[in-house]
Amino acid sequence: DTAVSQTPKYLVTQMGNDKSIKCEQNLGHDTMYWYKQDSKKFLKIMFSYNNKELIINETVPNRFSPKSPDKAHLNLHINSLELGDSAVYFCASSQFSGAEETQYFGPGTRLLVL
Amino acid sequence: AQSVTQPDIHITVSEGASLELRCNYSYGATPYLFWYVQSPGQGLQLLLKYFSGDTLVQGIKGFEAEFKRSQSSFNLRKPSVHWSDAAEYFCALSGGSYIPTFGRGTSLIVHP
Repeated sequence: DTAVSQTPKYLVTQMGNDKSIKCEQNLGHDTMYWYKQDSKKFLKIMFSYNNKELIINETVPNRFSPKSPDKAHLNLHINSLELGDSAVYFCASSQFSGAEETQYFGPGTRLLVL
Repeated sequence: AQSVTQPDIHITVSEGASLELRCNYSYGATPYLFWYVQSPGQGLQLLLKYFSGDTLVQGIKGFEAEFKRSQSSFNLRKPSVHWSDAAEYFCALSGGSYIPTFGRGTSLIVHP
């Protein structure tokens, strides 16, 4: 009964490839997020969707494109992968989009670009 | 601009000892403050949060944190650490923009 799930858990790929990471939450939440955690453990928000609408879009290369087919899913597609994209990507959700909201995190997708 | 500083990259304690993890923030108004824990290979889990009321907040797993406006701090404490508390701890701040800012994390090492 995983609340926030991500697939795949590990992703190893070559530079220049295109890859997608999928995220699903079964909590009935309205808001979903993508975070990037680098090798120094810094965690930075990339995107947030509220009811399938983009509400946060931080300074992220446009090679990264989020897609939310419904409010339970938020996928991340990455074009032309670069070495610097290697990181752990976390999906999260919260009931609403307010600043006081608790976020529920998925287990992460470990991306390694060779 | 909002920011969160966790000055300690690593903290080592003996099992049974008390723990305090430091968090300082910068924000122009009263922020929403959170502590999350990340076990190895896992996502983050909320320990506790503060946004108004009593400045001493109780969380899960025996943790508490105290909001001190005068010191811009939100330190996490536990009176007696267990080996299973070994993990990465993140302090986070959220303000009017709804964009959460995380500290760099503090790695807790517990010696038997």
